Amino acid sequence: RKEVEQDPGPFNVPEGATVAFNCTYSNSASQSFFWYRQDCRKEPKLLMSVYSSGNEDGRFTAQLNRASQYISLLIRDSKLSDSATYLCVVNPGGGADGLTFGKGTHLIIQP
Amino acid sequence: GAGVSQSPSNKVTEKGKDVELRCDPISGHTALYWYRQSLGQGLEFLIYFQGNSAPDKSGLPSDRFSAERTGGSVSTLTIQRTQQEDSAVYLCASSPAGGPYGYTFGSGTRLTVV
Repeated sequence: RKEVEQDPGPFNVPEGATVAFNCTYSNSASQSFFWYRQDCRKEPKLLMSVYSSGNEDGRFTAQLNRASQYISLLIRDSKLSDSATYLCVVNPGGGADGLTFGKGTHLIIQP
Repeated sequence: GAGVSQSPSNKVTEKGKDVELRCDPISGHTALYWYRQSLGQGLEFLIYFQGNSAPDKSGLPSDRFSAERTGGSVSTLTIQRTQQEDSAVYLCASSPAGGPYGYTFGSGTRLTVV
């Protein structure tokens, strides 16, 4: 089983719509969780951390379900500039031994 | 520096040659990480440093790969006798310390082995 699994998409969504995607992780001892955004031919950039109680940053909401071992990202009122690949990221050991990245979900916002 | 700096940004090399990739992390960040990303693929973890020490080198793809970090700052990733399958973007990231921190990535080195 892959450590972090995501639906690769692409998700084609009209501008202004709400879109959500999930990822699952295999290591139940994982300590910290993140969503990164990666634009084409660019480096990944941290979008937001994911906290157990759920957290919101503007139009973005992240949720963590430890019992089911999945993480979600919700984007409201989507913009054309939201088009990117969204990477689900898990720190399996809680230490400095390398975050584990999912392969990403490709999102295309259409005008 | 203000961000993670990697050099060169692009490197084309002939099969069999050695290459050296450089990463200059954010000032004060003690943890440094190397990943690589092949075209259309996810990120593959290679190695991390806490200070100058690399506790686990098992992520390096083969013994042709080596990495070092000196002075708790700049790191170099060396690939000896490059092969075509080494072609990828090599990404370096740093974070303030080990633990539950997100990373800041450099813009990467795009390596092409011809």
